[in-house]
Amino acid sequence: EAGVAQSPRYKIIEKRQSVAFWCNPISGHATLYWYQQILGQGPKLLIQFQNNGVVDDSQLPKDRFSAERLKGVDSTLKIQPAKLEDSAVYLCASSRSGQGQETQYFGPGTRLLVL
Amino acid sequence: SQQGEEDPQALSIQEGENATMNCSYKTSINNLQWYRQNSGRGLVHLILIRSNEREKHSGRLRVTLDTSKKSSSLLITASRAADTASYFCATVYISSGSARQLTFGSGTQLTVLP
Repeated sequence: EAGVAQSPRYKIIEKRQSVAFWCNPISGHATLYWYQQILGQGPKLLIQFQNNGVVDDSQLPKDRFSAERLKGVDSTLKIQPAKLEDSAVYLCASSRSGQGQETQYFGPGTRLLVL
Repeated sequence: SQQGEEDPQALSIQEGENATMNCSYKTSINNLQWYRQNSGRGLVHLILIRSNEREKHSGRLRVTLDTSKKSSSLLITASRAADTASYFCATVYISSGSARQLTFGSGTQLTVLP
């Protein structure tokens, strides 16, 4: 089966600009996750969707980050305006049902550099 | 914080040797998972061990879990150059609500020298 797709792979922007990332999960996977991975650290969950509803967005900086999953399939993550500390890899993952004892499948990530 | 911490932060070994990485966490968990991340790539799931399990094997991987010590170890036997990667442990706990968050540690960077 096809894996999790993400685009773009790389993005360079200046601070205060806006940026959007796209993710297409594995077909049939109900749960979609966005993670932020800062260099030298493990991924940190930003938001979790179950179909098109938000399950957990407690660590999403809502003043500048937003995400949506229209129709419960692909998703976009937006940052507006970007700050220097947003430089990171943004990983999208999906799983069949969002149960804790199942595997999450990760995409290749989008590497963001904010200048 | 629920976040696990891996030890050591970096490990360098010769091909053919065994590599052991440890993970400690802070609160009760439902399960613990290990992931691998190659340079510039996404994470790949390696193995999952449930809180009622003590040991699990998958190929050259052996994972142990000690819930009394809140720790886990990942052993890679007969390492290969292709095993060079960052290895992360991730814990899952079931909250009173419906969220089941995967919380990652900071990782161990393993380098296998040919």
